[in-house]
Amino acid sequence: DGGITQSPKYLFRKEGQNVTLSCEQNLNHDAMYWYRQDPGQGLRLIYYSQIVNDFQKGDIAEGYSVSREKKESFPLTVTSAQKNPTAFYLCASSIGRQGGDTQYFGPGTRLTVL
Amino acid sequence: EDQVTQSPEALRLQEGESSSLNCSYTVSGLRGLFWYRQDPGKGPEFLFTLYSAGEEKEKERLKATLTKKESFLHITAPKPEDSATYLCAVSGANSKLTFGKGITLSVRP
Repeated sequence: DGGITQSPKYLFRKEGQNVTLSCEQNLNHDAMYWYRQDPGQGLRLIYYSQIVNDFQKGDIAEGYSVSREKKESFPLTVTSAQKNPTAFYLCASSIGRQGGDTQYFGPGTRLTVL
Repeated sequence: EDQVTQSPEALRLQEGESSSLNCSYTVSGLRGLFWYRQDPGKGPEFLFTLYSAGEEKEKERLKATLTKKESFLHITAPKPEDSATYLCAVSGANSKLTFGKGITLSVRP
């Protein structure tokens, strides 16, 4: 089955720790995205990548980092510089990054800071 | 700046009671308007993409329509399994998706 997988489903982080969220897709999509979802707010874009070895900051990139070494994979690192990391993180992909291209989402990772 | 406003914030329906969810938007150069369904603790599930005013798409009990200022998601004879949060998003000239806050639909048996 084609789709997007995210792991882990739940992640707990201590203050001062960096953690990495995994995102893998087997849809052969060029573009991949990371969003953050908080209660009562719309999804907000953290980073996106249109091609391997290239990525751009979204609206709320501070305290996050990404890499795109393979077409299928787009991991997100939440660094200790992110002041309020507790949230639901969603990875998405689309066939390209034309405005009309539909983005498909993974199941999400819920990150909690202890 | 692109903006999306969804209303109402929450909607409670009786099973079989048809209704509509509203998505009002402002965008520079609409490239697409997207509807998603999201169940608690899960990722959004794609429903529809609409590209131009006048376009309509249907899937089971759902029908999405688009004008130059808003989109409606019509739900005909809803069932309890239609209970979820429905998200609307637009993509404009910058190819970035802007999401609304969502509408939480609850359908009582």
